[in-house]
Amino acid sequence: AQSVTQLGSHVSVSEGALVLLRCNYSSSVPPYLFWYVQYPNQGLQLLLKYTTGATLVKGINGFEAEFKKSETSFHLTKPSAHMSDAAEYFCAVSDQNFGNEKLTFGTGTRLTIIP
Amino acid sequence: ETGVTQTPRHLVMGMTNKKSLKCEQHLGHNAMYWYKQSAKKPLELMFVYSLEERVENNSVPSRFSPECPNSSHLFLHLHTLQPEDSALYLCASSQDSGGIEQFFGPGTRLTVL
Repeated sequence: AQSVTQLGSHVSVSEGALVLLRCNYSSSVPPYLFWYVQYPNQGLQLLLKYTTGATLVKGINGFEAEFKKSETSFHLTKPSAHMSDAAEYFCAVSDQNFGNEKLTFGTGTRLTIIP
Repeated sequence: ETGVTQTPRHLVMGMTNKKSLKCEQHLGHNAMYWYKQSAKKPLELMFVYSLEERVENNSVPSRFSPECPNSSHLFLHLHTLQPEDSALYLCASSQDSGGIEQFFGPGTRLTVL
């Protein structure tokens, strides 16, 4: 069984500061890893994903994440926060069980940007 | 319309009502999903359809009844719901049920009185 833990249900950073949202996972097989963002009154939008290859993944809106197998982590970062980054962020994992991939989501982290 | 659309966006219903949620995807995908999003809980996968056939049903109460008449449309029929069923219901689609990237609709905010 796979699971996702997002440390910190709420994170506040100042505009221009580093954004760091933490995600740890457990999976019995090499995982696919995802970060989704949800803006108010909207559905989830894919920010970035890791499947294979380079462990540092770049996504939309200046976000990136690094897959660290030894730490079972996939933390999301952005060097300089913008007001428009205020949203809820979800980490998700999918087992590489071909033909039966299902997403398991974390409980989400609400990011607040302080002007 | 593009992407995944859901109607209505908001729904208030009594426990004895019958209502339906609608989802439509304009992406040419073959798989569609219903999720339930409650406050402070992970997204819960409810149903998965692949080529109009249900392939996943995660122990969802029978008061929720899905219907997938074709690969572009997905419904969730609701009857005799409970207040704890109040949540945001999200629809998603992917290329197929093994597709690792899912595209989400904006959701229907359901309130059960």
